[in-house]
Amino acid sequence: GAVVSQHPSRVICKSGTSVKIECRSLDFQATTMFWYRQFPKKSLMLMATSNEGSKATYEQGVEKDKFLINHASLTLSTLTVTSAHPEDSSFYICSAGGTGGISNQPQHFGDGTRLSIL
Amino acid sequence: QKEVEQNSGPLSVPEGAIASLNCTYSDRVSQSFFWYRQYSGKSPELIMSIYSNGDKEDGRFTAQLNKASQYVSLLIRDSQPSDSATYLCAVNELTGGGNKLTFGTGTQLKVEL
Repeated sequence: GAVVSQHPSRVICKSGTSVKIECRSLDFQATTMFWYRQFPKKSLMLMATSNEGSKATYEQGVEKDKFLINHASLTLSTLTVTSAHPEDSSFYICSAGGTGGISNQPQHFGDGTRLSIL
Repeated sequence: QKEVEQNSGPLSVPEGAIASLNCTYSDRVSQSFFWYRQYSGKSPELIMSIYSNGDKEDGRFTAQLNKASQYVSLLIRDSQPSDSATYLCAVNELTGGGNKLTFGTGTQLKVEL
């Protein structure tokens, strides 16, 4: 099946640090990738849709200047949490679907990044 | 606001029994439906996808879809302790570049020895 690689798996850093998370599709091209956030015992909350070669589409309430998304190639999207604070501590998960156009292909998830801001 | 509803559980079943997980959705135009399994501290893993009315079987798992009732379910036969996890129902919203999924809150399944 499709493989999505996410790195790093865990980050612990001081308040004010910016943290970059990478999401790679290893065996398929992904024109669209998705970034989710999950709090303990809660479901996934979609933060933004990352579009290759264009600006990301952010969900309502998600600060685009806080969570910078770059999708520079068909296999790589990055999420940068800028000037992170303790309230940004969460489990961040990326996913990738099929290639461009209307698709019924399921999304496959990376292993997630657990971010802890001290 | 598109919604996907699941009973949060926990749903407890004895080992070897059938576990039945249910999900309803509000968007009538949804065409693709997915069940993901998520172990504690891990990311979701795709279990089943279903696109047309009826049943779809894969090993011990059977997904059932009824678009008229806006209802999708997952049956797990011969439940094992390793099936203990949270099961997320996801429904698609088609965008120009792919699927945008709306997730339910998940049902926690506990398979007891």
